Amino acid sequence: DGGITQSPKYLFRKEGQNVTLSCEQNLNHDAMYWYRQDPGQGLRLIYYSQIVNDFQKGDIAEGYSVSREKKESFPLTVTSAQKNPTAFYLCASSMAGPTDTQYFGPGTRLTVL
Amino acid sequence: GQNIDQPTEMTATEGAIVQINCTYQTSGFNGLFWYQQHAGEAPTFLSYNVLDGLEEKGRFSSFLSRSKGYSYLLLKELQMKDSASYLCAPLPNDYKLSFGAGTTVTVRA
Repeated sequence: DGGITQSPKYLFRKEGQNVTLSCEQNLNHDAMYWYRQDPGQGLRLIYYSQIVNDFQKGDIAEGYSVSREKKESFPLTVTSAQKNPTAFYLCASSMAGPTDTQYFGPGTRLTVL
Repeated sequence: GQNIDQPTEMTATEGAIVQINCTYQTSGFNGLFWYQQHAGEAPTFLSYNVLDGLEEKGRFSSFLSRSKGYSYLLLKELQMKDSASYLCAPLPNDYKLSFGAGTTVTVRA
């Protein structure tokens, strides 16, 4: 079964702690993306990567970091520098780049207490 | 940044037609996506328009006018399962896709 997975679905962390959200895809897609969604708002792009070992900042990259060591994996770290980390985080992948359809994972709802 | 405007909410009856409008202002343009998102779930792809005109795909159609910075998504023969949020997402020249806040469609029996 091909798809994109994110885990866990719900995550709770204390303020001041870094947390890493996982994203894995077995679609053989080159491009991967991280978005953040807040209530009543659209998805906002955090980071994206078009190939292994390369990634670009999106519109709201401050307080986040990513790595792309393998084609299948694009983990997102929410650092303590991110002022409002509580949100719904969505990972997506597409065949080659942004003009291709993006397939989304089920999302991780992060709550920082 | 991008400016994306779509209505917040729409309500319609089962079997009816609903048109969701989206106006946008972007730095350059490389097409416009529409996604559907059910509450608490991930968005799923509906359509991608690059050229002007109407593209029909079953009960859903999408229209684009690049000169007017305008698109609409037309949902026909509405079903209860169509109750969801519909996200308009133009792709600008920097290829950083961002989404509108979405239009929540409620289908009533």
